[in-house]
Amino acid sequence: QKEVEQNSGPLSVPEGAIASLNCTYSDRGSQSFFWYRQYSGKSPELIMFIYSNGDKEDGRFTAQLNKASQYVSLLIRDSQPSDSATYLCAVRAGGTSYGKLTFGQGTILTVHP
Amino acid sequence: DTEVTQTPKHLVMGMTNKKSLKCEQHMGHRAMYWYKQKAKKPPELMFVYSYEKLSINESVPSRFSPECPNSSLLNLHLHALQPEDSALYLCASRHLWNRGEDNEQFFGPGTRLTVL
Repeated sequence: QKEVEQNSGPLSVPEGAIASLNCTYSDRGSQSFFWYRQYSGKSPELIMFIYSNGDKEDGRFTAQLNKASQYVSLLIRDSQPSDSATYLCAVRAGGTSYGKLTFGQGTILTVHP
Repeated sequence: DTEVTQTPKHLVMGMTNKKSLKCEQHMGHRAMYWYKQKAKKPPELMFVYSYEKLSINESVPSRFSPECPNSSLLNLHLHALQPEDSALYLCASRHLWNRGEDNEQFFGPGTRLTVL
């Protein structure tokens, strides 16, 4: 079983729709959860992080965390073509892991006009 | 200053060359990371430095040699690389505060390395 799994994609949504990206993780000791966006040929850019159960909203983005179900998701409202990218879910373990992130394989999102 | 810089942006080297990648940040971050990313794959951790000391080496071959000369700089020395080492090399950094809240890891733009 992979440590961090993302919905396989690719995901295609029309402009203005809600894009839903999902991620599950296996380590119950995980404490923090991150969503990075990566455009082709560029480095990952942090768009959201969450460490408490529930929802966290930032503009068009909402991260949802359910530690009991070991599940974290990212909703993108009013999707724009500029949101087309690979979305990486990353999980940080607790303890002295020196902030090591374990990444999922990524989900490619395409927003078509 | 809220960014991580990396030089060079692109590097082409032969298998017998010695080269170095450089990473710099002035955000006061005391944890710095090297990642390797192959095409269509997620970043893969190579090394972690905390307070300028090597804390994690993810069983990386010795042809990759990291160095952290001070709290703002991180180098990756390359020697006798193989063509399969061609990848995007990413540097990242974060604070090491012991606060209840977490703190995010910022990535630099990366160095695109090609080994011929």
